[in-house]
Amino acid sequence: GAGVSQSPSNKVTEKGKDVELRCDPISGHTALYWYRQSLGQGLEFLIYFQGNSAPDKSGLPSDRFSAERTGGSVSTLTIQRTQQEDSAVYLCASSERAGLSYEQYFGPGTRLTVT
Amino acid sequence: RKEVEQDPGPFNVPEGATVAFNCTYSNSASQSFFWYRQDCRKEPKLLMSVYSSGNEDGRFTAQLNRASQYISLLIRDSKLSDSATYLCVVNRRTGFQKLVFGTGTRLLVSP
Repeated sequence: GAGVSQSPSNKVTEKGKDVELRCDPISGHTALYWYRQSLGQGLEFLIYFQGNSAPDKSGLPSDRFSAERTGGSVSTLTIQRTQQEDSAVYLCASSERAGLSYEQYFGPGTRLTVT
Repeated sequence: RKEVEQDPGPFNVPEGATVAFNCTYSNSASQSFFWYRQDCRKEPKLLMSVYSSGNEDGRFTAQLNRASQYISLLIRDSKLSDSATYLCVVNRRTGFQKLVFGTGTRLLVSP
């Protein structure tokens, strides 16, 4: 079946502009996660959604970052007033449920470059 | 100190060699452990879970030592296709399944 999809695959933006990154999770998966991977760094957790519950935003690095998930499916990560240090690959993952035994499936990522 | 630490490598080995990667984690509250594989410019994919008793999947063997907070991955009879970055991942329950990733160990298998 279809995996996690993300768009765009690449995004180049000027410093100070806003960007929106989209994630389509696997159909039926209730849990959705956003991570980012900077050059030479491990994946860094950003935010987590589970069903209709309030998201866990504990990993968002600043108030310029926000995310929403509409209808329990598609999610959008928004970065306002982008900075050069925001350049990274942004990865979305989904899992059937949020328990320890449920594998997280990753999308191909969006490579963001802030110039 | 990082919560999950790995030797970045690269480990350069010939085909057919046996290679082992180690990983240490600092948070004793970690409950589940995994090895993920990430190919260049691709997303991470689950390679195998790591169980307390140790587990094997074909040429891959994973071990966990909770007392020393140490995880290992052994690859036997290396193939060219094993060339990738191997990510050590721990799962710390904080109300949800939070995965904490190491920066990865790069493996290069040559003919």
